[in-house]
Amino acid sequence: NAGVTQTPKFQVLKTGQSMTLQCAQDMNHEYMSWYRQDPGMGLRLIHYSVGAGITDQGEVPNGYNVSRSTTEDFPLRLLSAAPSQTSVYFCASKTTPDGNQPQHFGDGTRLSIL
Amino acid sequence: AQSVSQHNHHVILSEAASLELGCNYSYGGTVNLFWYVQYPGQHLQLLLKYFSGDPLVKGIKGFEAEFIKSKFSFNLRKPSVQWSDTAEYFCAVNKAGSSNTGKLIFGQGTTLQVKP
Repeated sequence: NAGVTQTPKFQVLKTGQSMTLQCAQDMNHEYMSWYRQDPGMGLRLIHYSVGAGITDQGEVPNGYNVSRSTTEDFPLRLLSAAPSQTSVYFCASKTTPDGNQPQHFGDGTRLSIL
Repeated sequence: AQSVSQHNHHVILSEAASLELGCNYSYGGTVNLFWYVQYPGQHLQLLLKYFSGDPLVKGIKGFEAEFIKSKFSFNLRKPSVQWSDTAEYFCAVNKAGSSNTGKLIFGQGTTLQVKP
């Protein structure tokens, strides 16, 4: 079982560049989400999706776009990278949006913006 | 708005010492509560969860947590820590109920360092 797979694991960008962080899950989970992890701030929700074709904003959506064209994939796009977006990004999924389902996390993408 | 507060940011213990990590949340309704652990260089893993029923829940690796509704708390405990428990621990909360979209609110995290 691959679970939740994130690529790349590491990336360095220059300010203003764009890139897409990939996330794929093979568990047929309806719910997927993106978090960023910053020291002393825990994990903060960027965007989430309750199913293919449906996305919504989390706590810190500015500067990020998402789409959910398939159940398996939930890419996160940075349109114009800024140093404030230097962080570790985690993708997570769970069976359904129900609150009592635990989330499964990917291994993370460590992103540095110069 | 919901928030989660973990009071201990960095805890250092010797092996075999007892552990208690505090977690308080601010939300007046029914909640689901989680503790996640992140070992160095790894992704978050679920330690335990509370949805309803017995407020004392047991998780993996000897961890347990007690939900005290009157105190809005969900503290994590372990009677005797091991060096391998060195990790970062996150408390997380979401709203219960059919309208819930599963959004988790995380605390700031507590770094636990266990000295051999």
